[in-house]
Order: sequence, then structure tokens, then C-alpha cells
Amino acid sequence: DTEVTQTPKHLVMGMTNKKSLKCEQHMGHRAMYWYKQKAKKPPELMFVYSYEKLSINESVPSRFSPECPNSSLLNLHLHALQPEDSALYLCASSQALSGANVLTFGAGSRLTVL
Amino acid sequence: GQNIDQPTEMTATEGAIVQINCTYQTSGFNGLFWYQQHAGEAPTFLSYNVLDGLEEKGRFSSFLSRSKGYSYLLLKELQMKDSASYLCAVPNQGGKLIFGQGTELSVKP
Repeated sequence: DTEVTQTPKHLVMGMTNKKSLKCEQHMGHRAMYWYKQKAKKPPELMFVYSYEKLSINESVPSRFSPECPNSSLLNLHLHALQPEDSALYLCASSQALSGANVLTFGAGSRLTVL
Repeated sequence: GQNIDQPTEMTATEGAIVQINCTYQTSGFNGLFWYQQHAGEAPTFLSYNVLDGLEEKGRFSSFLSRSKGYSYLLLKELQMKDSASYLCAVPNQGGKLIFGQGTELSVKP
């Protein structure tokens, strides 16, 4: 299995809702990532987990809360989002957190905040 | 800090060759990646260069010059399906991958 699976593919939520994005990989990768991507822009790193511990938080607002329940799963909990948070949220994984490792991306979850 | 520059847009004709350039400035070099991203899809890995020179992989080749802080992606025998965004990316010393703005390539018949 060489894929990163993300659910849901599309999500529409109001500013008072609580929802979660989910990501799963079975490649034995020990680093997992959340990226945010706006139209016509490159992916922006949000969080990195290495061996199930949060290693990097790119000063992301607390309305985004990541969770890594085990080495195969990564969640992003969403609460009280703003319309400007509407974007494509990409999950990725790599063998380890170091520069030479190739990132494998999921297809993304397209989020719309009303 | 790190800085990556690549052209915003390029247009080329089906069957032709196109070269997408990327210049970078980084403290501590750990290799350079090229990713391809079709509209609405995930980025997919194309190449990784850590030593100077040209690496060929089918219709796609990637070149690196560390002394010049320069890389290019060469696409030969262009096909319509090559229309996509091409992202140059360099990891920093903490392992974080820094992406350039991406080059939107349009292949015309």
C-alpha cells in the first residue's frame, strides 16, 4: 500500500461547527504532516508529527488541533473556523523527518467554511 | 532563511521541450525536490537531486548546480497531460520542506 488516504474529500461547515479531517497511511512512515493550500499557491506547512509526537507547529491558530492516535493515523480537529480557513488541506507522510525523505501526499480534503 | 524563485507561468506546445528553472538560497543544503501537481489533486514526487548534475527519468530530467543555487526541470516530448503546476522545494535543516510558488505550465496543441 503506497497511498495516503484522506477523508472526507469535501467538507462544508459553519463557523460554529466542530468537525475533523482524517488521514491514514500504511507505509510504515514515521513522519506525518498537515499542509494547507489556497488556490494558485504552494502548500503551507501547518504541523508535523514524528514518531507520534508533535515536532513542528507553524504557529497555527488554536482553532486547528492536530492529533496522532497511532503511527498510521493523523487527525485535524476543526472548531470555530473562519471563512478565510477555506482551503485544500493536504496530509502527507514520509519515512522520517529529515530533508532527504520524499513526501507522499493524500488527495486532500477541500474545506469550505460558511 | 530560505528563498526559492521560479517563474509563475509558462506555455509550451505539445511535442516540444520545456525547461522550468528554479533558483534557491538556503543555509545548509539538503537536496532539492520537484513535485508535479495537477489542478485539484495532490502533489506527486518527480525528482530529488542532492549532487550536481543531470538526473534523467524517462521524459523528465532534473539538473542541479549547488554552487549556483540553481536547478531546472526539463520536460521532453510534451503531452497535454503535462499541463500542471511544477513545484520546486528545498528542505531546511529542521526537515521542513519549503516550496517555491510553483510554475503553472500550459501545454497547447
